[in-house]
Amino acid sequence: DTEVTQTPKHLVMGMTNKKSLKCEQHMGHRAMYWYKQKAKKPPELMFVYSYEKLSINESVPSRFSPECPNSSLLNLHLHALQPEDSALYLCASSQERRGRGTGELFFGEGSRLTVL
Amino acid sequence: AQKITQTQPGMFVQEKEAVTLDCTYDTSDPSYGLFWYKQPSSGEMIFLIYQGSYDQQNATEGRYSLNFQKARKSANLVISASQLGDSAMYFCAMRPIYNQGGKLIFGQGTELSVKP
Repeated sequence: DTEVTQTPKHLVMGMTNKKSLKCEQHMGHRAMYWYKQKAKKPPELMFVYSYEKLSINESVPSRFSPECPNSSLLNLHLHALQPEDSALYLCASSQERRGRGTGELFFGEGSRLTVL
Repeated sequence: AQKITQTQPGMFVQEKEAVTLDCTYDTSDPSYGLFWYKQPSSGEMIFLIYQGSYDQQNATEGRYSLNFQKARKSANLVISASQLGDSAMYFCAMRPIYNQGGKLIFGQGTELSVKP
């Protein structure tokens, strides 16, 4: 079982809805990530939080709004999405100790989003 | 800039045989880590194996081994004794080591199908 938990697993929303994706990890990792993945394509980085501060925003449209309330939680708030935003949204976390460990990302099972 | 290239969109292998999945990379970072992830149809990205750029020996993890040729900038994954459960998408990925919250970027992936 994955140690990164994402909810909900499936989400269907209209273009005018407001919804949120949630991610939780209890591994003590201080970096958390959101990736977007289309079918048969590699994951694309959206946001990186390091020590609860947004460190990377890959020019993601403002209809996606990330939030990191504490070191264990990561949210992605969704508003006024478009049908092309339908995708698998993956959350991940990693240890961030310079020069130590492999730095691999641990991924959740993802949230499959459909925008109608 | 970093780049990962996987030139095999799809591969077939007979059960119990070995298979090599190709990965080449390009980076200006002096220290970097190379990763392989497996993604079954369920969506979860499963970490398989890691190779650090300064590691002298090729990484091995059970049936997985990484054929690391630094001069050629290649990091091929070898799966020995293929099993039906190995059927999945496989992604090669890379990130700088000494960079907190550094980006993990992925190749295009290889879809592996194991035949009984």
